[in-house]
Order: sequence, then structure tokens, then C-alpha cells
Amino acid sequence: DAMVIQNPRYQVTQFGKPVTLSCSQTLNHNVMYWYQQKSSQAPKLLFHYYDKDFNNEADTPDNFQSRRPNTSFCFLDIRSPGLGDAAMYLCATSRGRVYGYTFGSGTRLTVV
Amino acid sequence: SQQGEEDPQALSIQEGENATMNCSYKTSINNLQWYRQNSGRGLVHLILIRSNEREKHSGRLRVTLDTSKKSSSLLITASRAADTASYFCATDSTSGTYKYIFGTGTRLKVLA
Repeated sequence: DAMVIQNPRYQVTQFGKPVTLSCSQTLNHNVMYWYQQKSSQAPKLLFHYYDKDFNNEADTPDNFQSRRPNTSFCFLDIRSPGLGDAAMYLCATSRGRVYGYTFGSGTRLTVV
Repeated sequence: SQQGEEDPQALSIQEGENATMNCSYKTSINNLQWYRQNSGRGLVHLILIRSNEREKHSGRLRVTLDTSKKSSSLLITASRAADTASYFCATDSTSGTYKYIFGTGTRLKVLA
């Protein structure tokens, strides 16, 4: 089945140790998104790509970076994770503005 | 901020009853979407409604949109225990980007 896959499902990292979360899709969608969701809160958009065109949200910390080497893959790099970065990270894809998102199952990041 | 606010924050009903959730937003939109999120999982797309549409149905779901009041509602009829989840609205903007901003969400609990 076509889908969005996030790995790993759970990630534990040490304070200040760089960590990379990955997302892959078999839908061939142009747009890929990374959202951060903390407990009982709304998903917060970090950035999105339209093809290789990168769009950063103004309030996304510099500590968060992203790469999209090809249509299928997108990575979220957290350069120096702090305790406040513990959250669920959700990857989503879309064909465009008038289409719904397809979400992955998320990666729950714990910072120790 | 573009973020929508949902009302109520939490809702508890008996199986078989109808559940109504409301979403208000602040800026003009092209489209509004509703999503469901089961605990600890990714979001699932339910319905997209365009700004020129007033009502849309999908199975037991009915979505209305009132752009003059900048509000939308999601009605789930004949609710089931499996409908227990958080429900989020998400809005785009008329500025032409591909991103959607999520509202604060309603936590629905359906009691068997």
C-alpha cells in the first residue's frame, strides 16, 4: 500500500547529541511537511518542501534542519536537542493545496 | 496568528449520540480540513471543504463552513466507541502557500 513511513517509531537521545528522524513516502507527492506535536497540543508546522523548494516557518528554531534528497525521502535533523524538544514528530505528504495530508505514524522523541 | 481554536476542548458523550465540534479561525482561507488523531498516532484526513462550499458529507460526518463567521463545524452522527479520538481542524491561507495550520483540537470520548 502507498504510505508514509517514519523511522524510528521511538527515539531516545541524549541532551545535546545530534539526532536524525527519517520519513519516506511511496505516494510520489510533491509536498512534504514536518510537524512537531507536544502532549495535548496541536501539531505545529516546522517546515515544508514543495519538491526541492524549502520553506521554513519563522518561529522554527535554528536547531532544527531538514533535508530532502529526493522525492521519496525527507529528514529532520536536530543539531543539539534540548529537553524542550521532546515531542512527537509527524511527517506528512500532500499532492497540493486542495488535497488532504497523508501522515506517517510519527516518531516520539525523548531527550534524556 | 492563523491558528484555529476549537470548541469544546473536550467532549464526552454516550454511544449513539451525535457529537458536534466547532472550529473558529482568524484569517481568510481557501480550504479547511478536519483530521482525527487516535492517541499517540498520526493524523487521519477526514474531509476537506473549500471556501466556496457550505456543507460536505462523508458517511457519518457532516462538515459545515461559514466564511462570514470564520467558523466550521464537524458533526459525527450515531457515534461509536471507535470514534474516541482528538479532532483537529486545519486551515490554509489565501497567501498561496501549501501549508495548513492546525487548530487546538477537541478530545472526544464516546462511552459504550
